[in-house]
Amino acid sequence: AQSVSQHNHHVILSEAASLELGCNYSYGGTVNLFWYVQYPGQHLQLLLKYFSGDPLVKGIKGFEAEFIKSKFSFNLRKPSVQWSDTAEYFCAVNGARGGNKLTFGTGTQLKVEL
Amino acid sequence: GAGVSQSPRYKVAKRGQDVALRCDPISGHVSLFWYQQALGQGPEFLTYFQNEAQLDKSGLPSDRFFAERPEGSVSTLKIQRTQQEDSAVYLCASSPHQDRDTEAFFGQGTRLTVV
Repeated sequence: AQSVSQHNHHVILSEAASLELGCNYSYGGTVNLFWYVQYPGQHLQLLLKYFSGDPLVKGIKGFEAEFIKSKFSFNLRKPSVQWSDTAEYFCAVNGARGGNKLTFGTGTQLKVEL
Repeated sequence: GAGVSQSPRYKVAKRGQDVALRCDPISGHVSLFWYQQALGQGPEFLTYFQNEAQLDKSGLPSDRFFAERPEGSVSTLKIQRTQQEDSAVYLCASSPHQDRDTEAFFGQGTRLTVV
């Protein structure tokens, strides 16, 4: 079965600091990779996705992620965080064996302090 | 509305009570998913519909859980004889087609508390 690991459960940063959230997945076949964000009181929203092609993908609000197949990783990055980035971030994967259902990591709670 | 709508937003049930959770997906979306999110965890897959057909129910935790989508649009997740371990947020998501390489749009969820 697929599994997704997010290494950081809680991250606290000051505004303008750089962010990197780790994500590793277990399935070795062809996968699609996603980062979803949940702002306080809101629904899960897609931040970015990787299906194929350029392994460096850019999403909304200045976020980007790099797919490294050899490391089974899809880490999320942002060069300079803002207070409004305070949210919970989920890495997710779907793949051939699992079909189109998503397997999520446990999430990372990010708090950005002024 | 433009997004996935779930109702009720909050539900408190006494242990043993039956509950029904509703999901209105985005109009025209073929795929519909239900996920369960326990406190401090990521969402976990429950079941998947392609139009009215329930193609995958491998994530349903017990036979007390039942889902339907009779006309290929609105879906209902029913939990019979609720237990305390059923307390969680239940998320519904829809996507425009059945392929893997497509974004799923999530509703705000129904928070179920079993007392």
